[in-house]
Amino acid sequence: QKEVEQNSGPLSVPEGAIASLNCTYSDRGSQSFFWYRQYSGKSPELIMFIYSNGDKEDGRFTAQLNKASQYVSLLIRDSQPSDSATYLCAVSNAGGTSYGKLTFGQGTILTVHP
Amino acid sequence: DTGVSQNPRHKITKRGQNVTFRCDPISEHNRLYWYRQTLGQGPEFLTYFQNEAQLEKSRLLSDRFSAERPKGSFSTLEIQRTEQGDSAMYLCASRGVSGNTIYFGEGSWLTVV
Repeated sequence: QKEVEQNSGPLSVPEGAIASLNCTYSDRGSQSFFWYRQYSGKSPELIMFIYSNGDKEDGRFTAQLNKASQYVSLLIRDSQPSDSATYLCAVSNAGGTSYGKLTFGQGTILTVHP
Repeated sequence: DTGVSQNPRHKITKRGQNVTFRCDPISEHNRLYWYRQTLGQGPEFLTYFQNEAQLEKSRLLSDRFSAERPKGSFSTLEIQRTEQGDSAMYLCASRGVSGNTIYFGEGSWLTVV
């Protein structure tokens, strides 16, 4: 079992729709959860992070965390063609000897079509 | 530009040659990470520095790979006797003392032919 799993997609949604991206993780000691966006040929760009159970909203983006289910999601409202990219879920265990390093899923390719 | 800087951005090398990548982290970030990313995969952790000390190395980092951060500022990643399987994007990232957010550089693409 991979430490962080994402549906690789591709996920295709029409412009203006809600895109839902999901991620599960295996390490119950994970404390911090991140969503990165990566355009083709570019490096990952942080969208948002979440530490506590529940929802966290930032503009059109909402991250949801359920530690009991070891599940993280990212909702993108009013999807735009410019949102087309690979979305990477990453988790971190800031304690112990992990030094806060991120463990990534394989990414979900999102395509928003006009 | 005060972000994480990496160079060279692209490197094409023949199999068996040595290559070195440099990373300049965000100023005053004492924590530095190297990752490797191949097509269709998420970044994979290679190694971590806190100041000048290399505190963790992944099993992915074979004997042909070496990383340094001599004065706790910039870092270098050297790959000796490159193999075609080393072709990937090498990402450097940094984090501050109190922050929990890791910021990535633009990456260095390596193609081994």
